Amino acid sequence: QSALTQPASVSGSPGQSITISCTGTSSDVGIYNLVSWYQQHPGKAPKLLIYEVNKRPSGVSNRFSGSKSGNTASLTISGLQAEDEADYHCCSYATTNTLLFGGGTKLTVL
Amino acid sequence: EVQLVQSGAEGKKSGESLKISCKASGYTFTTYWIAWVRQMPGKGLEWMGSIYPGDSDTRSSPSFQGQVTISADKSISTAYVQWTSLKGSDTAMYYCARSSDSSGHEVDQWGQGTLVTVSS
Repeated sequence: QSALTQPASVSGSPGQSITISCTGTSSDVGIYNLVSWYQQHPGKAPKLLIYEVNKRPSGVSNRFSGSKSGNTASLTISGLQAEDEADYHCCSYATTNTLLFGGGTKLTVL
Repeated sequence: EVQLVQSGAEGKKSGESLKISCKASGYTFTTYWIAWVRQMPGKGLEWMGSIYPGDSDTRSSPSFQGQVTISADKSISTAYVQWTSLKGSDTAMYYCARSSDSSGHEVDQWGQGTLVTVSS
């Protein structure tokens, strides 16, 4: 099983919107609505941002949203803020009863 | 409040054994999966495997099968991952994470991480 594919880095200016993609296959992202996204600041543990493709846990800003089309899931952050600068990881459940993570994307707020 | 508290950083030599822990509180330990996730320096997250403490059912990543053993002691609400013979490539941060429900399909709460450093 290969890891999910994410861009290594993305950037945006404060106030702008950015989108991070997460591409899998028909054995994981494409077949299950079980994609989650995590935010990780340097030296910290990951934090859940999105689960089941597009649901936000209590306390997570509505500036974060998730979606999916075919084998690709996406995380959109609107109204970029300096505090959004972090690494973002996607994760999907897969047909082999396993979890797959992406390689992570570093977001730089210019 | 759900909490996962992991054991402290470890410095070991190649060939040594190691067992790190993850103590859970604030929920019913036996009804949620616990996953172990590796993060090598400067790299992404990798799922190693998960355990359901209620019956010790385990799921493993093919990449880690046979390399580590995942276990749990439900009497003390603690999950473990252990190595019998560490290698330099095991140097990484290791996280435990709780599943969001009894299916184990997603994780929501994370421990603070345990840094394992293996030297030759």
